[in-house]
Formats: sequence, structure tokens, C-alpha cells
Amino acid sequence: DVKVTQSSRYLVKRTGEKVFLECVQDMDHENMFWYRQDPGLGLRLIYFSYDVKMKEKGDIPEGYSVSREKKERFSLILESASTNQTSMYLCASSFGARGGNQPQHFGDGTRLSIL
Amino acid sequence: GQNIDQPTEMTATEGAIVQINCTYQTSGFNGLFWYQQHAGEAPTFLSYNVLDGLEEKGRFSSFLSRSKGYSYLLLKELQMKDSASYLCAVRRKTGANNLFFGTGTRLTVIP
Repeated sequence: DVKVTQSSRYLVKRTGEKVFLECVQDMDHENMFWYRQDPGLGLRLIYFSYDVKMKEKGDIPEGYSVSREKKERFSLILESASTNQTSMYLCASSFGARGGNQPQHFGDGTRLSIL
Repeated sequence: GQNIDQPTEMTATEGAIVQINCTYQTSGFNGLFWYQQHAGEAPTFLSYNVLDGLEEKGRFSSFLSRSKGYSYLLLKELQMKDSASYLCAVRRKTGANNLFFGTGTRLTVIP
């Protein structure tokens, strides 16, 4: 079974802090993704990566950065947390070159509150 | 750009059949996914359509019409555990199996 593990289920941080969200997958997937999920807005793509050290902006990258130093790990960084970044953050991974029908597998999410 | 429309909420009775519709506009269609998400849990993959027609998987089926920009998810013999949100997503032509998600349909199954 594919396992995507996010380091925290719940996290509370203060405005202006630098926040790190970690995600690890155990299926040797090439692609990894970070989303945020907000009521009425659905899942929105922040950043994704298709290979180690590679990253691409998604639909809402402002205020975020990412790091992928190893294939299995993809980190989301909030450079200076703000209250509008309070949200549920979901990490996902998928195979890359094996065809477009490969589904994304999601972690359980991190509910982040910025005070 | 992309746009996906799904009903926000639906209610159906245990044992019945329900159809959840999804209409989409996208520059370059490359496949459509359905996911199920129970409250407080991760989305899980249900189905994938890239060609027109019906894909059946047990109690769940998914249909696609590319010319109409339309898909539906059909759930038969509804069970209480089917109460969840159902997310429609289109695969964009660029970007590593990159998906654009709709806002989801919250289905409530009542006895």
C-alpha cells in the first residue's frame, strides 16, 4: 500500500514565524505535490515537483516555497506565516513517467493555524 | 485556464442510486479523476476516464463525454459509509500529472 506521511496532523504557529511542513512517501514516486484545502474553494495546488531538486509553481505559490533534496521527501515552507495561511495542507505523490492515468495518493493532511 | 462545476451538496437514501455531475472547461483535456474524501481524511482515488464512455468498478461507475465537457459519478446501492465529499479533477496537459480540482460535492446518505 502507498503511504504518504505528513509530519503533523495539527500545528499552531504565530504570525511571522517560518513554518516547515514535511511530507514523505514510500513508493518511489517521481511526482510530489502540495495543496491547501479551504471550505468552498476546494483543493488548490501550491507547488509540485517532478524530480529531486526540481520544483514548479502551482496555482497559488505566493508566500510559499518548497524543497526536494531527496526523492521521498517534499517540504513546504511558509517564509513568514500570515493568518490567511491558516488552512488544511495536503501532500500527494504519484508516478511520473508511467502514464497519465496514475492517480495521486494523499497524506492525511496538516491542519495549520496561524495566530 | 480551467473551471470545474459540481453541485455543492446532495442527499440520497440508503439503497438508492445517485448521480454526481461534473462539468469542466480546460485548455487541453488530458483525463478526468474522481476522488472520495471522508470528513477529516485524505482524498482517495475512485476512477479515471480519458476516453468517452462508462467505466464501471463495482458499485461505482464514472462516465465521460469529452465533446460536452461532462462527467458523472454513479453510485449504486448506496450505503451509509458513502456519505463523503466527491471531488472531480481534470488532468492538465502540462506539469507532471498535475490536477485541477473542483470544489467537491458533499453527499449525505440518509436511512
